[in-house]
Amino acid sequence: AQSVSQHNHHVILSEAASLELGCNYSYGGTVNLFWYVQYPGQHLQLLLKYFSGDPLVKGIKGFEAEFIKSKFSFNLRKPSVQWSDTAEYFCAVNADTGFQKLVFGTGTRLLVSP
Amino acid sequence: DTEVTQTPKHLVMGMTNKKSLKCEQHMGHRAMYWYKQKAKKPPELMFVYSYEKLSINESVPSRFSPECPNSSLLNLHLHALQPEDSALYLCASSQDPDRGYQPQHFGDGTRLSIL
Repeated sequence: AQSVSQHNHHVILSEAASLELGCNYSYGGTVNLFWYVQYPGQHLQLLLKYFSGDPLVKGIKGFEAEFIKSKFSFNLRKPSVQWSDTAEYFCAVNADTGFQKLVFGTGTRLLVSP
Repeated sequence: DTEVTQTPKHLVMGMTNKKSLKCEQHMGHRAMYWYKQKAKKPPELMFVYSYEKLSINESVPSRFSPECPNSSLLNLHLHALQPEDSALYLCASSQDPDRGYQPQHFGDGTRLSIL
């Protein structure tokens, strides 16, 4: 069964610092990869996704992620975080064994101090 | 605001009660999902409906009974729940059940507390 690992459970940064959140998955076939964000009291929102093509994908709010197939990774980055980026970030994967089943990582809580 | 509407936002019920959670979307999406999210945990898939038919049941106890009356509505009927069923229940939808690269759109959830 596929699984998703997010090794950073809690991250604390100051404004303007750079961000990189790790995501690794365990499936050797075709995958679709997503990053979702959950701001306090709000619903899960899509930040970006990858399914084919350029492995460097850009999303909303200045976020980007890079798919490295050889490392089974899909890390999220932002060059300069803002206080408003404080949220929980989830990496999620579905695989060609059943595209309807989206598996989430454990999440990373990001706190950005002003 | 999300385009997936869930009601009620909060629900408190006893273990012998019967209640239903409702989810609605008008984006023309043909896949709809129920997830359970415990505090500080990721969402866990419960059910998937594909073209109004149940396609995935992740071994969910029978005290949870999903229903998809039409392509816009998804219900989750609750009966004889246990305290450990207290959680945030999320509904989501996606455009085409067979195209996994299409993202899921999530509702705000129903926060359920079982007394």
